[in-house]
Amino acid sequence: SQTIHQWPATLVQPVGSPLSLECTVEGTSNPNLYWYRQAAGRGLQLLFYSVGIGQISSEVPQNLSASRPQDRQFILSSKKLLLSDSGFYLCAWSVIGVFTGELFFGEGSRLTVL
Amino acid sequence: TQLLEQSPQFLSIQEGENLTVYCNSSSVFSSLQWYRQEPGEGPVLLVTVVTGGEVKKLKRLTFQFGDARKDSSLHITAAQPGDTGLYLCAGAGGSNYKLTFGKGTLLTVNP
Repeated sequence: SQTIHQWPATLVQPVGSPLSLECTVEGTSNPNLYWYRQAAGRGLQLLFYSVGIGQISSEVPQNLSASRPQDRQFILSSKKLLLSDSGFYLCAWSVIGVFTGELFFGEGSRLTVL
Repeated sequence: TQLLEQSPQFLSIQEGENLTVYCNSSSVFSSLQWYRQEPGEGPVLLVTVVTGGEVKKLKRLTFQFGDARKDSSLHITAAQPGDTGLYLCAGAGGSNYKLTFGKGTLLTVNP
């Protein structure tokens, strides 16, 4: 069966510090991968998605970047965090091919920037 | 830009009551999903509806996709405390790989 893991689960960082959140998927090949941010426990905002190694699409201009160094690994980064980067970050995957809207989410990473 | 409006935003009911959550848009979606999220965890996919007018049942949960594929509803019968959580609807069909999420309905079922 497929599983998705992301870490760390909780992170408290000072303004201006770097960020690295990692996500890995097991049990499937060539997944589409996504990073979402959820503010105040409500709606989800798509940040990045990837349909293959090294292929990153950005949805919203921001202080963050994403990379996909391996087929089932997706990394969210920042060189200098802002207060507004605080939030709940979710990694997700979907099957390759026609997009059905069915996403499978990781456990989430809670980032607090102080 | 596609938007999905969910209502109500908050719902607090007693165990055993029935409830309906609505998800509305002016846009047509090729499919619509419902997710349930518990605090501190990622959303979990409950159901996908694809055909206009489609009705799917998952135990005490009934999902309906509008005939015009612009809206959907989630009905829970005899709610239980374990149903407590954030219910999110999401629609696919605009840009590839992009889901449009509603802001969610936060349901609390009191014992």
